[in-house]
Amino acid sequence: DAGVTQSPTHLIKTRGQQVTLRCSPKSGHDTVSWYQQALGQGPQFIFQYYEEEERQRGNFPDRFSGHQFPNYSSELNVNALLLGDSALYLCASSETGAAFNYGYTFGSGTRLTVV
Amino acid sequence: DAKTTQPPSMDCAEGRAANLPCNHSTISGNEYVYWYRQIHSQGPQYIIHGLKNNETNEMASLIITEDRKSSTLILPHATLRDTAVYYCIDRLGYSTLTFGKGTMLLVSP
Repeated sequence: DAGVTQSPTHLIKTRGQQVTLRCSPKSGHDTVSWYQQALGQGPQFIFQYYEEEERQRGNFPDRFSGHQFPNYSSELNVNALLLGDSALYLCASSETGAAFNYGYTFGSGTRLTVV
Repeated sequence: DAKTTQPPSMDCAEGRAANLPCNHSTISGNEYVYWYRQIHSQGPQYIIHGLKNNETNEMASLIITEDRKSSTLILPHATLRDTAVYYCIDRLGYSTLTFGKGTMLLVSP
């Protein structure tokens, strides 16, 4: 059973460009959360999607947006990239009602470098 | 911001017990204590969680003090593969996870 799959694994973009990261949740999971992890820091919550709607959002600017598809997969879009957006972007999936007891399943992330 | 406090790093000899402390100075009565770990180049992995009572599963044991202001994650027989950053998190119900910087545990031969 595949866990959470993220693509691409690595990406290099130029300042000012736009980027789209993709996530396929674990089979049976319907909720997707995105996190940003800067070097040496813990992951920071960006937002969470359920039933194709943004359910919760962390303290991130509107340049960060997302989408969830009917098959529960998700995209994270970042516009007008800044050097400070360089980080590991993690996707986590869960089954609504089960995350409390079983935690979230994280992917291995996409390493984004902005130059 | 993270509400928990952890030492930045710890060392442990392979085969010995690793005891990772965490301070929860502002934990509220209905917040649970969660522990995750992150092995290099991977995403965080759920380990265990608890409210008041001590908990044990196949990965670890969790000891929570009676006043709930501190907890200890115990890996009974640490292996080299347990080298990772360990995060303790106070979590309310179905809220999202708020990570701090965690503790870097280095297990050596």
